[in-house]
Amino acid sequence: NAGVMQNPRHLVRRRGQEARLRCSPMKGHSHVYWYRQLPEEGLKFMVYLQKENIIDESGMPKERFSAEFPKEGPSILRIQQVVRGDSAAYFCATTSDLPNEQFFGPGTRLTVL
Amino acid sequence: RKEVEQDPGPFNVPEGATVAFNCTYSNSASQSFFWYRQDCRKEPKLLMSVYSSGNEDGRFTAQLNRASQYISLLIRDSKLSDSATYLCVVYWEGAGSYQLTFGKGTKLSVIP
Repeated sequence: NAGVMQNPRHLVRRRGQEARLRCSPMKGHSHVYWYRQLPEEGLKFMVYLQKENIIDESGMPKERFSAEFPKEGPSILRIQQVVRGDSAAYFCATTSDLPNEQFFGPGTRLTVL
Repeated sequence: RKEVEQDPGPFNVPEGATVAFNCTYSNSASQSFFWYRQDCRKEPKLLMSVYSSGNEDGRFTAQLNRASQYISLLIRDSKLSDSATYLCVVYWEGAGSYQLTFGKGTKLSVIP
């Protein structure tokens, strides 16, 4: 029973490029949360999605960031025109119908040069 | 966003010591509370839930004081493997959304 999977684990982009981060939930999980963790900082909530729906995006920057969780396939966090300040670890967490039991993926570490 | 505040740390303690972490939260409507552990460059993992009556899991004891909006974690007989960052986490529901709010974490280093 595979856990939450994220890929890539490490991603390097130059300023202005696009970054796509993928999250595959645990089997049976239909809720996905994305978090960002800056160096030496805590986890910051970004967005909460269920299949094909964005439930809460109050933590998402207003520009350049978007997220989706299609009916088939992984959830994707997309960052357009990346800047150096986007360098961080991005974690996704998934849950079944018990929203307070979140299981985290290993994270994607984005480095913007 | 509601805030969760933790001891800044770092805590450097010898093996065998007892160490306590504190956490306060600002949202009085928070419903559930947790301690997560995060090892360096790894994902957070649930350590234990925190119940109103207090709960214990081996060397770890968690306590909750709703009136003071305060959570604590006590680690007895510290092991080298306890070295990690401990995250205080508060769960709340609002406007159709469920969210965990994380504290910044307290770093623990257990020294031989």
